[in-house]
Amino acid sequence: AQTVTQSQPEMSVQEAETVTLSCTYDTSENNYYLFWYKQPPSRQMILVIRQEAYKQQNATENRFSVNFQKAAKSFSLKISDSQLGDTAMYFCAFSKTGFQKLVFGTGTRLLVSP
Amino acid sequence: NAGVTQTPKFQVLKTGQSMTLQCAQDMNHNSMYWYRQDPGMGLRLIYYSASEGTTDKGEVPNGYNVSRLNKREFSLRLESAAPSQTSVYFCASSETGLSYEQYFGPGTRLTVT
Repeated sequence: AQTVTQSQPEMSVQEAETVTLSCTYDTSENNYYLFWYKQPPSRQMILVIRQEAYKQQNATENRFSVNFQKAAKSFSLKISDSQLGDTAMYFCAFSKTGFQKLVFGTGTRLLVSP
Repeated sequence: NAGVTQTPKFQVLKTGQSMTLQCAQDMNHNSMYWYRQDPGMGLRLIYYSASEGTTDKGEVPNGYNVSRLNKREFSLRLESAAPSQTSVYFCASSETGLSYEQYFGPGTRLTVT
């Protein structure tokens, strides 16, 4: 069975700074997908970024980028130029290829302060 | 497009009562899911439906039943609620095939006393 571990329960950062959230996972699969979801205080789950394991290039979406280390089974999220609206819970999630069930980590609460 | 909608948004039940959580999506997605979110545990899959007419158990199915009423609607039923089912419940939908993005509803906060 796959597991996803987020070892940082809480992080804080000041506005305009850069922060990195950690995620490790365990799987015997070779092809899979990894995701970062954001859950603001509104409770709505929003996809931030997605990485396909067979792609060596790290995914980027505007201020959000990942550092995907397949051999180390590590998938960290970097948020550049942090904004107050980035304050949220961030969940790392795993999915086997062609198999949509998501396995989530326990989340990291990020607080961005002025 | 409303995306994924869930009703109700909040519910308080007494132990032993039953209720059905409703979910509907207007994105013509084949796959739908029910998750529960508990503090410190992330989201866990209860049941999913890969396509209309099929349902399968997820990680924590005990105490729940589901119905895929049609392509749009996927309901979750608690036959005899227990305090351990106090949680926030999320419905989600996605395309079938490769690992497409799952779109989530706003959640239902359920308290069982």
